[in-house]
Amino acid sequence: QSALTQPASVSGSPGQSITISCTGTSSDVGGYNYVSWYQQHPGKAPKLMIYDVTNRPSGVSNRFSGSKSGNTASLTISGLQAEDEADYYCSSYTSNPRVFGTGTKVTVL
Amino acid sequence: EVQLLESGGGLVQPGGSLRLSCAASGFTFSSYAMSWVRQVPGKGLEWVSSISDNGNRPFYADSVKGRFTISRDNSRNTLYLQINGLRAEDTAVYYCAKYGSSWQYFDYWGQGTLVTVSS
Repeated sequence: QSALTQPASVSGSPGQSITISCTGTSSDVGGYNYVSWYQQHPGKAPKLMIYDVTNRPSGVSNRFSGSKSGNTASLTISGLQAEDEADYYCSSYTSNPRVFGTGTKVTVL
Repeated sequence: EVQLLESGGGLVQPGGSLRLSCAASGFTFSSYAMSWVRQVPGKGLEWVSSISDNGNRPFYADSVKGRFTISRDNSRNTLYLQINGLRAEDTAVYYCAKYGSSWQYFDYWGQGTLVTVSS
């Protein structure tokens, strides 16, 4: 099972919006509406930010939103804040039954 | 409050074995599938293994199949990962993760336990 493809890094200034892409295949991202996104700060455990493509868990800021088109899912962070600087990973259900993305480092300029 | 506390990591020689444990609290452990996810220091997340709520359905990544065994004891609210034939490339932080209401996402993660394979 190959990892989902994410850009290695994305950056933005405070207040701006950024989008992280997550590209898979019809066997994972494109085949199921079960994409989730995780935020990980250095030395910390991952934290669920988005599940089932578009849903936010309780307590997660509404500045985080998710979407999907075909085999590519996206995470958008609007109103970028310093605390958003972290690594972000997408994940999708597959028949195996799980695959993660390669990870994206978000830098707040 | 959901808590997942991993233990059992450490330094082990190539070819050695370890058993990782994950003590769960704050939810009905026997009602949820669980998983192990690992992360090589400085690298990305890699799904390792998952197990159904009753323990009858284990799943493994190809990279660990035949060497790793996932199990659970619902009476002790504990998840296990038996790791045999350790290789240098198994060096990683191993996280215990709880599935949400289905197999679709991980809603809680432990803090991880570091496994180092070196002679």
